Amino acid sequence: EIVLTQSPATLSLSPGERATLSCRASRSVSYYLAWYQQKPGQAPRLLIYDASNRATGIPARFSGSGSGTDFTLTISSLEPEDFAVYYCQQRSSWPPSITFGQGTRLEIK
Amino acid sequence: QVQLVQSGAEVKKPGASVKVSCKASGYTFTSYGITWLRQAPGQGLELMGLFSAYNGDTNYAQNLQGRVTLTTDTSTNTAYMELRGLRYDDTAVYYCARDPSDEGHYFDYWGQGTLVTVSS
Repeated sequence: EIVLTQSPATLSLSPGERATLSCRASRSVSYYLAWYQQKPGQAPRLLIYDASNRATGIPARFSGSGSGTDFTLTISSLEPEDFAVYYCQQRSSWPPSITFGQGTRLEIK
Repeated sequence: QVQLVQSGAEVKKPGASVKVSCKASGYTFTSYGITWLRQAPGQGLELMGLFSAYNGDTNYAQNLQGRVTLTTDTSTNTAYMELRGLRYDDTAVYYCARDPSDEGHYFDYWGQGTLVTVSS
């Protein structure tokens, strides 16, 4: 099973700053990586799919990059509503698996 | 607009079964896969299984094989997840989500979640 490791576990930043979140896969997942945002008491919301495509309705300040084993989610200028937990998710064909990272908590500094 | 509306919270005793429903609207139900995931309190996301719209196949997480069954009712656009032999560590919020790729690449719309509590 492919393991996704997210770093840092917690990121403390202020509104207006740039956030860079990392997700590393234990084996190549090609570009099949997605990012989700989850706020307390809510379901996750898809932000990015296939490593770099923004989902419908997602603001342009969110961007994704990477391929293979190293991926990054960047939030160019943090808004107050962006403070949440972020998860990455992969889907590999071989071995067949779908797994999530353990999450990065983005908190207000 | 696309919506997935799940059934309400459940409290079950150890060893019992639970069946959670997920009613879809706003899109062609048979054109998209449906996946089920769960999240234990304070924990991350765990995939339970996927239902393929393409061929009706289901794939289950290895650790839940034999205890979980995913089904759909196309007459009512509703997906179901049944979990049997409930244990205390099955206490979690259970989510359904739409799978546009039908292969689990990503999940674009999610239900609101159903809290299942296993308690004696």
